[in-house]
Amino acid sequence: AQKVTQAQTEISVVEKEDVTLDCVYETRDTTYYLFWYKQPPSGELVFLIRRNSFDEQNEISGRYSWNFQKSTSSFNFTITASQVVDSAVYFCALSGSYGGATNKLIFGTGTLLAVQP
Amino acid sequence: DAGVTQSPTHLIKTRGQQVTLRCSPKSGHDTVSWYQQALGQGPQFIFQYYEEEERQRGNFPDRFSGHQFPNYSSELNVNALLLGDSALYLCASSLQAYNYGYTFGSGTRLTVV
Repeated sequence: AQKVTQAQTEISVVEKEDVTLDCVYETRDTTYYLFWYKQPPSGELVFLIRRNSFDEQNEISGRYSWNFQKSTSSFNFTITASQVVDSAVYFCALSGSYGGATNKLIFGTGTLLAVQP
Repeated sequence: DAGVTQSPTHLIKTRGQQVTLRCSPKSGHDTVSWYQQALGQGPQFIFQYYEEEERQRGNFPDRFSGHQFPNYSSELNVNALLLGDSALYLCASSLQAYNYGYTFGSGTRLTVV
């Protein structure tokens, strides 16, 4: 069975602090994809990153960075120098190998990030 | 370039009624998936449509059905509404041949009273 666990329900930080959101996944597939989405109060899920299971390189995009470690089945997300606009619910998601990345997404329960000014 | 469009944005229905939600995919996308997101939870996969056929289905009862039209737009139908069907319903579109992922709409907030 596939499962995504986001143990942090809520995180509150002060602006300019760094914050890491944890994601642990379970799958028996050898090929799979991991995603992070941001959900602001408007409700729309905004795509942040996709990573496939064969690519363990960490990635940095501006203030965002991702640490993918297959050995610990983790795909953590760090925001550097957080801003109030980063306040949202962040979801980690997993999809299996059938149909590639257009396969169904299995979401975690999300982490609510509140950045205080 | 229009993204995924969903209608209506909000809806209130009574238990036992039927509801239809609509989704227009992002331009160039041919696959539509539907997700249900209960308050405080992550989205749960309902089903996916490609070439006007249901390709994958999550763990939802037959009360949930869908349709995809030749222009790739889609409808989600829910019959015999229960209070537990109250949720945000998200539509996501993708391109079957392009292995990149989904674009989500802003959702329809369904309240069953």
